[in-house]
Amino acid sequence: EDQVTQSPEALRLQEGESSSLNCSYTVSGLRGLFWYRQDPGKGPEFLFTLYSAGEEKEKERLKATLTKKESFLHITAPKPEDSATYLCVIADSWGKFQFGAGTQVVVTP
Amino acid sequence: GAVVSQHPSRVICKSGTSVKIECRSLDFQATTMFWYRQFPKQSLMLMATSNEGSKATYEQGVEKDKFLINHASLTLSTLTVTSAHPEDSSFYICSAPGGVDTNTGELFFGEGSRLTVL
Repeated sequence: EDQVTQSPEALRLQEGESSSLNCSYTVSGLRGLFWYRQDPGKGPEFLFTLYSAGEEKEKERLKATLTKKESFLHITAPKPEDSATYLCVIADSWGKFQFGAGTQVVVTP
Repeated sequence: GAVVSQHPSRVICKSGTSVKIECRSLDFQATTMFWYRQFPKQSLMLMATSNEGSKATYEQGVEKDKFLINHASLTLSTLTVTSAHPEDSSFYICSAPGGVDTNTGELFFGEGSRLTVL
C-alpha cells in the first residue's frame, strides 16, 4: 500500500535560518512526487513535480530533491512569507494520489 | 498554468438545508475531479472521485446520499451537501489531475469552500 510520511510535523524557523523538510514514501511504481504549499483557508498551491531519483527543482528560496525513498524540500534563508503548510503528494502508476499530513512551517522575523 | 475555480468560497447555511459547491476547470478538460474535506490543522481527506458521465466513487465512510456529486461536463463537478448539520461544517476542496500538459500529472486545486452550518 502506498504511504507518505512527512517530517517534522511542525517547524519554527528564524528568518534566514535554512532548513529541510522530509517526505518519505513507499509506492508501487512512482509516477510523480509533488510538493504543494497551503496557506490557511486556501487550497494547496502547486510548487514542484519530481519524476525520478536524482531530479532537483528550484523556485526562489525552495529546492526540492528526490531519491528512491524520499524527497526533501530545502528552504534557504526563509522569510516570514514562506510560512505555510507544505504538502507532499505522490501519484502511483495506477494514477492514485496519496497525501502526506504536511509540515507546518512558521518563519519569525 | 492550469486553473481550477471553486465557488462559493464561503457559505453559511441553516441546519437542514442543502448547499451546492461548484468546481470548474478553467483552461483544461477534467474527466476526473477529486473532492476533499479538511479539518483545522489536518491534511486533506479524500471524500470521493468524480467521473465525467458516470457515478462518483466514494471513499469508505463517506455517505453518498449526504454528499451528492455530479460531474455533468468535462469542466464542471458539483458537490451538494444535503440536509446539512453542524458537524458537516468544514473546508471542502476540489482538485483535478493534469492540465494544459496532461502528462505532467500534478493535481490542480480549487481555492476551497468554507461551509458553516448553524
